[in-house]
Amino acid sequence: AQSVTQPDIHITVSEGASLELRCNYSYGATPYLFWYVQSPGQGLQLLLKYFSGDTLVQGIKGFEAEFKRSQSSFNLRKPSVHWSDAAEYFCAVAPLGQGGKLIFGQGTELSVKP
Amino acid sequence: NAGVTQTPKFQVLKTGQSMTLQCAQDMNHNSMYWYRQDPGMGLRLIYYSASEGTTDKGEVPNGYNVSRLNKREFSLRLESAAPSQTSVYFCASSEITARNSPLHFGNGTRLTVT
Repeated sequence: AQSVTQPDIHITVSEGASLELRCNYSYGATPYLFWYVQSPGQGLQLLLKYFSGDTLVQGIKGFEAEFKRSQSSFNLRKPSVHWSDAAEYFCAVAPLGQGGKLIFGQGTELSVKP
Repeated sequence: NAGVTQTPKFQVLKTGQSMTLQCAQDMNHNSMYWYRQDPGMGLRLIYYSASEGTTDKGEVPNGYNVSRLNKREFSLRLESAAPSQTSVYFCASSEITARNSPLHFGNGTRLTVT
């Protein structure tokens, strides 16, 4: 069965430090992968997506993610975290043949220390 | 540009009461979705509507009904609320029901059933 795992429930980083949020997927065919961010009290906003091609994808707010088929991973990175990046981050996969439905990971809550 | 609008933002129900969550989008999208978000479980699909006039069950449809009123509006009804339905509910829309058509989310409805 298709699934998405985000191993880290909660991560705390210092402002200005680099960030990597992990995402592993279980999916047989070529995955369509997404990262969403949810600020407190808000809906989910799309950060970036990967469908095919270059395995390093750039998103909004200075985020990037790298697709590694050999590791079944799609980790999210940012070189320097800002306090406004504190939020919950969700990785998701869109399975083939199921239209626009997404399977989400459990989410990673990011806290930023001053 | 409102995007996806959900009402109400908060609701408290007693067990057995009914209510309808409203969702409207102004992006002329064809597909609409209802998800619920529970701690540690990410988002799970309740129902979706690929186009006006069609609805289909998602992963967790029990206890819910939906109506695609027109292209803009997609409502979610709880006929007899149960404490297990305490959750945050998100409506989303996409241009079409396809893997490469990203979802746009509303800000959510926080529902508590006592």
